[in-house]
Amino acid sequence: QSVLTQPPSASGTPGQGVSISCSGSSSNIGSTTVNWYQHLPGTAPKLLIYSNNQRPSGVPDRFSGSKSVTSASLAISGLQSEDEADYYCAAWDDSLNGWVFGGGTKLTVL
Amino acid sequence: EVQLVESGGGLVQPGRSLRLSCTASGFSFDDYAMHWVRQRPGRGLEWVSGISWNNDSTAYADSVKGRFTISRDNAKNSLYLQMNSLRAEDTATYFCAKDICSTSRCPRGYFDNWGQGTPVTVSS
Repeated sequence: QSVLTQPPSASGTPGQGVSISCSGSSSNIGSTTVNWYQHLPGTAPKLLIYSNNQRPSGVPDRFSGSKSVTSASLAISGLQSEDEADYYCAAWDDSLNGWVFGGGTKLTVL
Repeated sequence: EVQLVESGGGLVQPGRSLRLSCTASGFSFDDYAMHWVRQRPGRGLEWVSGISWNNDSTAYADSVKGRFTISRDNAKNSLYLQMNSLRAEDTATYFCAKDICSTSRCPRGYFDNWGQGTPVTVSS
């Protein structure tokens, strides 16, 4: 069981928007920033969003992040087939003194 | 271009040891903290361990504390994970990841580059 809670799956049709939630606690999301990673099995995970809502160079502005108290969300607009992947939220946990990840959300583009 | 290449994975019996390596290029390796993250079959990403830029500080997940040791050789641009007393539940693909911070304990940090991983199977 992961420290951060994500829905196991999400889906949408091309062009639609989808949102993925990430729920934590005061010892992790509530006290620091949240990062999001995209992972296609068999490849290197990729940083998608850092510091709650910042996009690294090269990440389309269709991807956006937000945070409120002890929860965070990743929003993807204008879904494309290449967005099919697993998405993970992550944050530092002060109680565990280490990084914690969500269980991952498998996004399917129908 | 930043490159992280893991090696050393394979099949190992329970109770035995294995040493993973990660060779870095394309950035000043000795400026940044580094981490190991694993993905067990059918499961999500799990942080395993982190080390500061100068070997001064390390951190471990409870699941591996006392069995795994992280280290680095800045002269060789290399990160290591010594895994002892391996268990079936350590079976996973192990990724190395570069932090944007220099210390392993950096709450506002993030992992901006990752390797493709090396698979480890613990089975008799």
